[in-house]
Amino acid sequence: GAGVSQSPSNKVTEKGKDVELRCDPISGHTALYWYRQSLGQGLEFLIYFQGNSAPDKSGLPSDRFSAERTGGSVSTLTIQRTQQEDSAVYLCASSLGPDERQYFGPGTRLTVT
Amino acid sequence: AQTVTQSQPEMSVQEAETVTLSCTYDTSESDYYLFWYKQPPSRQMILVIRQEAYKQQNATENRFSVNFQKAAKSFSLKISDSQLGDAAMYFCAYRSADQGAQKLVFGQGTRLTINP
Repeated sequence: GAGVSQSPSNKVTEKGKDVELRCDPISGHTALYWYRQSLGQGLEFLIYFQGNSAPDKSGLPSDRFSAERTGGSVSTLTIQRTQQEDSAVYLCASSLGPDERQYFGPGTRLTVT
Repeated sequence: AQTVTQSQPEMSVQEAETVTLSCTYDTSESDYYLFWYKQPPSRQMILVIRQEAYKQQNATENRFSVNFQKAAKSFSLKISDSQLGDAAMYFCAYRSADQGAQKLVFGQGTRLTINP
């Protein structure tokens, strides 16, 4: 079956603009995760959804970052007023449920100029 | 907070040889999971192997095996009969067994090169 998909694959934006990154999990997966991969910070957890709720959003680096999930499926990560330090690859993963294997998407490479 | 350390930024091995990637972690928990993920240039993270901390037996998946030393908090990955397709970044990761803690904590990664 189809894996986790993310769009866009690459995004270049100007400093100060807002961006939305999309994640389509594997069908039937109730859990969804966002991670960020940057040269300086490595791979960091951002937020975890179970269904449409986010029991753990401890990794969101600032209030410019928000995420939502609707219908227990698609998730959108929004970054407002982007800064150059937001440049990174944003990875999404999903799992059948808590404690299950996490399957990753190919990521969105965000470049803030 | 848990931390994961990979002390080898880069490793290289001849094709068909064996290579071991190191990983240490720090935690005060007694129950947890450890993982090795592979990230090829396509960026997609692929699970290589998983180990439950309560299991003493080391996990094995075909050419990939781990040496899990719980007391030493060490979790190394051995790749036997290395193949060109094994070239990638390898990440060690930790996850608590606490149901409320689903996040993976990653090490900094090791770039593995396979020499033909």
